[in-house]
Amino acid sequence: DAKTTQPPSMDCAEGRAANLPCNHSTISGNEYVYWYRQIHSQGPQYIIHGLKNNETNEMASLIITEDRKSSTLILPHATLRDTAVYYCIVRANSGYALNFGKGTSLLVTP
Amino acid sequence: SAVISQKPSRDICQRGTSLTIQCQVDSQVTMMFWYRQQPGQSLTLIATANQGSEATYESGFVIDKFPISRPNLTFSTLTVSNMSPEDSSIYLCSVEAPGLAGPDTQYFGPGTRLTVL
Repeated sequence: DAKTTQPPSMDCAEGRAANLPCNHSTISGNEYVYWYRQIHSQGPQYIIHGLKNNETNEMASLIITEDRKSSTLILPHATLRDTAVYYCIVRANSGYALNFGKGTSLLVTP
Repeated sequence: SAVISQKPSRDICQRGTSLTIQCQVDSQVTMMFWYRQQPGQSLTLIATANQGSEATYESGFVIDKFPISRPNLTFSTLTVSNMSPEDSSIYLCSVEAPGLAGPDTQYFGPGTRLTVL
């Protein structure tokens, strides 16, 4: 699976949009981009995933660039409960463990 | 999706003892994984546990230290044997379940926080 690069930390004001970038310049054509988050001391929570089209669900939106070398996770109206470590992971196939990097620690402030 | 529970949620143990962590899933799943998260670190895979076969361990993890059972498609256990303070970590199980598109999505249990004195 391709490697990903994320900023180590970001801040966001409560109520504003949080835009978390991820670089995956070596992504292969069949690899999906997954996002998880881990709130302090809890198990990672699945957020969203996509291949090349932008995706939206009740938690977030995922914007993938046309060349698929980078993506952005958008939390449209961040709340204090969105404070967590966000992981961007690329994978192609089922049956294999996820390769968690260091992720981005997002702090949402009042 | 899949709902996963783990027992115990936390424990404090003495060095030299063993602890068995249970992972229960609300549906039948083929793939189960056990991860470790040391303090301040990211998740590291310990082993993959498929029903009906021996667990497959990652480099640096051995069966004698982390024996795993997978008796059926909804349950697994991980034992941390002969514990030392270095084993103090959060232990997480995860499973794969079909998603809307692409590879199966992995879902995680709440974790077991282990402290070894």
